[in-house]
Parts: sequence; C-alpha cells; structure tokens
Amino acid sequence: EVHLVESGGGLVQPGGSLRLSCEASGFTFSDRYMDWVRQAPGKGLEWIARIRNKANRYTTEYAASVTGRFTISRDDSKNSLYLQMNSLKTEDTALYYCSSGTKIHDYWGQGTLVTVSS
Amino acid sequence: DIQMTQSPSTLSASVGDRVIITCRASRSVSPQLAWFQQKPGKAPRLLIYKASNLETGVPSRFSGGGSGTEFTLTISSLQPDDFATYYCQHYLSYPFTFGPGTKVDIK
Repeated sequence: EVHLVESGGGLVQPGGSLRLSCEASGFTFSDRYMDWVRQAPGKGLEWIARIRNKANRYTTEYAASVTGRFTISRDDSKNSLYLQMNSLKTEDTALYYCSSGTKIHDYWGQGTLVTVSS
Repeated sequence: DIQMTQSPSTLSASVGDRVIITCRASRSVSPQLAWFQQKPGKAPRLLIYKASNLETGVPSRFSGGGSGTEFTLTISSLQPDDFATYYCQHYLSYPFTFGPGTKVDIK
C-alpha cells in the first residue's frame, strides 16, 4: 500500500524559512516524478513544484508564485522528497501535500500545515 | 499559462440525480485533463485521468468526457458519498493548473 507522509510544517514569520519533508513507501520511489501541491485555507488546489526521476536528471519545474523562493529536492536513498521554502510570505500559508503516481497525482499524503504570520 | 474554469461553482442536488460539471481550458489541453474529488479535511482523490479514463477503484457512476478546451465530469446517479468538491486539472504543460472547484451539496 502506498503511503506519503509529510512533515515539517509549522508557524513561521514572514521572510523566514522552512523545510518540508515527505517520506514515501509502498512503491518504487526512485522511478517516480514527485510533486508538491498546496491548498490555502478554504481555497482551491495549487500545483507548485515537480521533480523528475534520476533517468530525467532530477530536473525541476515550479509555479511562478514560488520560483526563486522554493526548491524541490529528493533523496532516493531515503525515499524522501523535500521542499525548501525561503522568503516566506503570508500568502504561502497553506496545507502542503506531496503527490505522485504513474498517471497524475494518483497518490497524496495527508498534508502538513504551514502558517506564515507575525 | 493555461487557465482553467469550472461551472457551476456550487451545485445543489439530490441523491439519485444525474450531475454534470463542466471544465474549460484557455487553450487545448487534450487529453491531459484530470478530475479530483475532495472531502472536507481530506486529501484530494484522483477520479479520472486523460479526460475519460476511470481511476482504479472509482465507481463506474463517474465518467469523464470532452476534448480540446471543454470537458465534463458526470455522476450518473448521485450517492450520499459523492457530496464533495470536485476539481479539474490540466497537465499538458507547466505550470499545471487546477480549476477553482465545484462544490456539490445536498439540495
């Protein structure tokens, strides 16, 4: 059974940094592309980042809203996905999900909440 | 970027009703269109991929259709478990974008 477990969320001040993690199990992590999707409180879904697999040189894609501030990375030896978030803004407050699959977002974690507030 | 819209934004329906949700893209995204269901406090669930392919384990009362810029999600006979918010998403090119969602509630 596939499991994606996010962690690392919390309260951070504007301008601060946070690193999210997502631990995967139940599938061959190293083969898959991995995504981060976020959802602001009471709002819709926003795809924010993707990292490809080793065969595709771990290349990355970002939404404009996070480009230059967020960095997606992975450690296949630990079956883990990361999101380094810098220069956080109040509008980054959201539940952050990691996601993967062979089709598109087949699997989702339960999310980790990031609150950016002074 | 490709913009996605959905209609209606809210839909009130009764158990047994046929429900149709429409998703439109600002340019062709065929066939890279998916539908998700989300219930309060839960992660989204993939229902349909490549516009019309039913994800494993999803009840057959759900179906997807359309092409180009206009797509539909149909629930043939609404069940109590189907009251939720539904999102479409294109994955043709980056950035992937979701529609704003359609909330299906009890009439």
